[in-house]
Amino acid sequence: QSALTQPPSASGSPGQSVTISCTGTSSDVGGHNYVSWYQQYPGKAPKLMVYEVTKRPSGVPDRFSGSKSGNTASLTVSGLQAEDEADYYCSSYAGINNLLFGGGTKLTVL
Amino acid sequence: QVQLQQWGAGLLKPSETLSLTCAVYGGSFSAYYWTWIRQPPGKGLEWIGEINHSGSTSHNPSLKSRVTISVDTSKNQLSLRLSSVTAADTGVYYCARGAVVTPYDYWGQGILVTVSS
Repeated sequence: QSALTQPPSASGSPGQSVTISCTGTSSDVGGHNYVSWYQQYPGKAPKLMVYEVTKRPSGVPDRFSGSKSGNTASLTVSGLQAEDEADYYCSSYAGINNLLFGGGTKLTVL
Repeated sequence: QVQLQQWGAGLLKPSETLSLTCAVYGGSFSAYYWTWIRQPPGKGLEWIGEINHSGSTSHNPSLKSRVTISVDTSKNQLSLRLSSVTAADTGVYYCARGAVVTPYDYWGQGILVTVSS
């Protein structure tokens, strides 16, 4: 199975909003709401930012929000801050005993 | 506070078997699924497989025949064995709490495994 499709890079200036997409198929992203987003700094383990498309774990700023339309999920970061510069990965349940990750998006704060 | 601590050999030769262990401290070990995920250098994440406290497992179809995931509930530990490694298996290996239908909310520190002759 193929990885979910994410843009390799995204950027925005401090205070702006940026949206990262994650495109799959009706068998994964489009088929249910088990989509998550992870933030990863270089050399560090990923951190859960959004789960079940729109939910935020305790402690994650509400500047991070998730959504989904059809086979594409999105992560929006509002009010960009320098500390948001990191790699972001989406993941989706992809059927019985299977999970897919996106290829990752490097977010640059200009 | 839940903490996951990993250890294992970091340098292997082709055809050898990768062996990693992840210990879970804090929280309920038996209430969750536990997962192995890897990341080749400079690349994205790949789901390897998961296990619960009773030993029920599932694996990435592309790795299934080489992967063994086991659990020791007396020590709150899970282990990963990957046989017949090649250079393509080089990467950082993570353990995490969660399953294919639940988010990965706690992660180990990651172990870099390099396969080289």
